Amino acid sequence: QVHLVESGGGVVQPGRSLRLSCEASGFIFSYYPMHWLRQAPGKGLEWVAVISSEESNIHYADSVKGRFTISRDNSRNTLYLQMDSLRVDDTAIYYCARVVYSSGWDWFDTWGQGTLVTVSS
Amino acid sequence: DIQMTQSPSSLSASVGDRVTITCRATQNIDTFLNWYQQKPGKAPKLLIYAASTLQSGVPSRFSGSGSGTYFTLTINSLQPDDFATYYCQQSYTTPRMYTFGQGTKLEIK
Repeated sequence: QVHLVESGGGVVQPGRSLRLSCEASGFIFSYYPMHWLRQAPGKGLEWVAVISSEESNIHYADSVKGRFTISRDNSRNTLYLQMDSLRVDDTAIYYCARVVYSSGWDWFDTWGQGTLVTVSS
Repeated sequence: DIQMTQSPSSLSASVGDRVTITCRATQNIDTFLNWYQQKPGKAPKLLIYAASTLQSGVPSRFSGSGSGTYFTLTINSLQPDDFATYYCQQSYTTPRMYTFGQGTKLEIK
């Protein structure tokens, strides 16, 4: 069964760093691009970052560019999100998600349960 | 950037009703449009991809249509389990930098 489990969330002060992890199981992790998305409390979904299967293509939302770094370790079936210079408005539940591609279309077919990051002094 | 706008933002309906949620894109996205359902405290769940294709395991009372800039999600004969928040999401841009609608909260009347 395809499964994603995030970890690493917590409470952190503004300006500090945090690293999130997402452990994958039930599928060949190295075949798939992986994404991070987030959802601020009571708000909608925001795409954060994507990394291709071989790490050759990486893109970020403007809101996190220059502060967040997405990476992966295919030998450990794990996706990461290094978050530096955190701001109060980075407070959110962070989800990792797998994208499936078919005939030119793509969609998020599997999501983790999310990990809460709270940035507060 | 492509912006996605859903309407209404919230909706009250009764079990057995038929409801329609709309999603508009600020530019042509062909049929690169997906719909998700999210319940409180849970991750989103894929309902429909490529504007009209039902994800495996999703009840047939859910349907999607549209292309270009206008899309709809219709739920026939609402069931108690359907009360949730629904999001549309475009997957047209290259590189893939997805954007979501703001969500439609479907509540019990």
